[in-house]
Formats: sequence, structure tokens, C-alpha cells
Amino acid sequence: DADVTQTPRNRITKTGKRIMLECSQTKGHDRMYWYRQDPGLGLRLIYYSFDVKDINKGEISDGYSVSRQAQAKFSLSLESAIPNQTALYFCATGTSGTYNEQFFGPGTRLTVL
Amino acid sequence: LAKTTQPISMDSYEGQEVNITCSHNNIATNDYITWYQQFPSQGPRFIIQGYKTKVTNEVASLFIPADRKSSTLSLPRVSLSDTAVYYCLVGTPGSARQLTFGSGTQLTVLP
Repeated sequence: DADVTQTPRNRITKTGKRIMLECSQTKGHDRMYWYRQDPGLGLRLIYYSFDVKDINKGEISDGYSVSRQAQAKFSLSLESAIPNQTALYFCATGTSGTYNEQFFGPGTRLTVL
Repeated sequence: LAKTTQPISMDSYEGQEVNITCSHNNIATNDYITWYQQFPSQGPRFIIQGYKTKVTNEVASLFIPADRKSSTLSLPRVSLSDTAVYYCLVGTPGSARQLTFGSGTQLTVLP
């Protein structure tokens, strides 16, 4: 089984709908991250969490919210989806002991019509 | 902020050694340098990390000069499967800056 899983893998929705993307990990890592990637571009950090009680905004948090339900689960919500949120979303995990090493999930491809 | 600059793209041939250089003129004392590889529609994968001088693992080497204002990822004897985007990240452990991916370098390995 994959260490970092994301659900759903693909999602098509309409403008204005609320969407939740889920991330689970079995690596036992404290840190979890959400990124988005637009075609031909690098990854941009949306939110990150260094432990269950810690939530931090990243570079592009507007229009998104997160919930760290447990050490192993980190969900990303789009409260009212808009077309320019169409992108590939990645969840990642990491430990405080492995500085910059992150372990990425397979990604969720989201299309907002 | 230690913004990084990399070439947008590079081409190479199978069997050659490839060197990708990243410029980070404003690197801070506590910053580490990390490289990731990304294949299309997949999440990035950690390749190597270093602080100074040279680091080598089973897939790559990382060369960092004394002033640490640049770093070079070296891939020995590349194959077609090394075609990917390579990202250089610079940041202090525990900071958001270490989580900043730039645009990366698209490496294309030709037969």
C-alpha cells in the first residue's frame, strides 16, 4: 500500500461548489503539506502543518482551508470552487528529523467548470 | 529570501553526465540545499540534500562551493528514464521557505 494516499484522484466540479480533498499517511510523520501545481509550472505551497495543533498558511492560501484531523490525516477544502483553482493538488509528508525531505502523494487532478 | 535560479531546460544524450546548476545568491547561514525530481503527473521525489562541499548518494552528487551561492546537481550516465523536471530548493529546516519550489529545469535525455 502507498505511504501517502490522496482521495479522490480525479474530480470534476462546478463553480461555487464546496470540495474536500483528503490526504492520509502511514509513514508516521508529524508534518503534512498541501501544494498545487498548474500546467508547466512548479509547485506552490497552500498550507502546511508541523503537528496536529499547528496550521500555517503558505504562499497561496486564499480560497482554501485545511483541517488536521489526526497526525495521519490532512484535508484541504475549497469553500466555493472557481475555475482558476483547476490544478493538480499534491499532499506531502515529512518529519522534523529529515529537514527538507518530503514524501509526496500521487496527486488529485481537480477541474472546476 | 534565498530565491533560486535554474536553467529552464537542458538536453543531453544517454550515457552522458549531466550537471544542473542552481543559483542562490542570498542563501542564509542555516539554509540547506535540496534537489527533487518530478515525472509528469507524479509528485516530486527527493534526490539529494547538502549544506556544503560535496554530497554523493546512489543516484546523484551535489557540489556546493565554499560561498554556497550556487550548487550543482550531477547525474552520472543519464538514461532516457532520467527525463524529468529537477527542482532546487533552499531553506532553513522548519521554515516555509524550505518548501518553496521554483519553476525547475526540464531535462530531456535523447537516445
